[in-house]
Amino acid sequence: SAVISQKPSRDICQRGTSLTIQCQVDSQVTMMFWYRQQPGQSLTLIATANQGSEATYESGFVIDKFPISRPNLTFSTLTVSNMSPEDSSIYLCSVDTGGILYFGPGTRLLVL
Amino acid sequence: QKEVEQNSGPLSVPEGAIASLNCTYSDRVSQSFFWYRQYSGKSPELIMSIYSNGDKEDGRFTAQLNKASQYVSLLIRDSQPSDSATYLCAAGNMYSGGGADGLTFGKGTHLIIQP
Repeated sequence: SAVISQKPSRDICQRGTSLTIQCQVDSQVTMMFWYRQQPGQSLTLIATANQGSEATYESGFVIDKFPISRPNLTFSTLTVSNMSPEDSSIYLCSVDTGGILYFGPGTRLLVL
Repeated sequence: QKEVEQNSGPLSVPEGAIASLNCTYSDRVSQSFFWYRQYSGKSPELIMSIYSNGDKEDGRFTAQLNKASQYVSLLIRDSQPSDSATYLCAAGNMYSGGGADGLTFGKGTHLIIQP
């Protein structure tokens, strides 16, 4: 398994601003994933982040809106840019360890 | 479009009974399947993984997979109030969390165990 931490745990932001979410893992992992869970909905994959390469985005998500960094094998950031109330959600970092997906505690974002 | 379907519930089960949670998936090439438990306000935690047809048991939990019917289920024996949570079914490709596809999650079934 892996121990994953995220910062911030929650935030309230004004529309039009940006928020960067940090994800730290206690071991080196090749693949990190960013998911979104909107109220009452299931998990939706935003993008896959591999160290040393550009993130791969799922349909409906673009780099300008959700830029991702992956500077090393234990850390990644997701930025939610030019936020609107529709971006209010829980953002989850996850890692693949031995074919199993583990999740961080999540970042609860409310955009006013 | 890959889809994983679950009955959203709530599913209410008396304490000590067997809770049965079901899931169907649309992508025939899915090779890995997972059940996650999510308590309110918390992130999902893995309960079971299953890759082959048949049953897989782990303590009070049994996962069942039928690839011909594209059907996955989770049985919880001797249900406890602490089992009350939302259970998410997920289907992946051969590499589960790996690869560009990642996992496809269902919307989850809200399970309530009545004391």
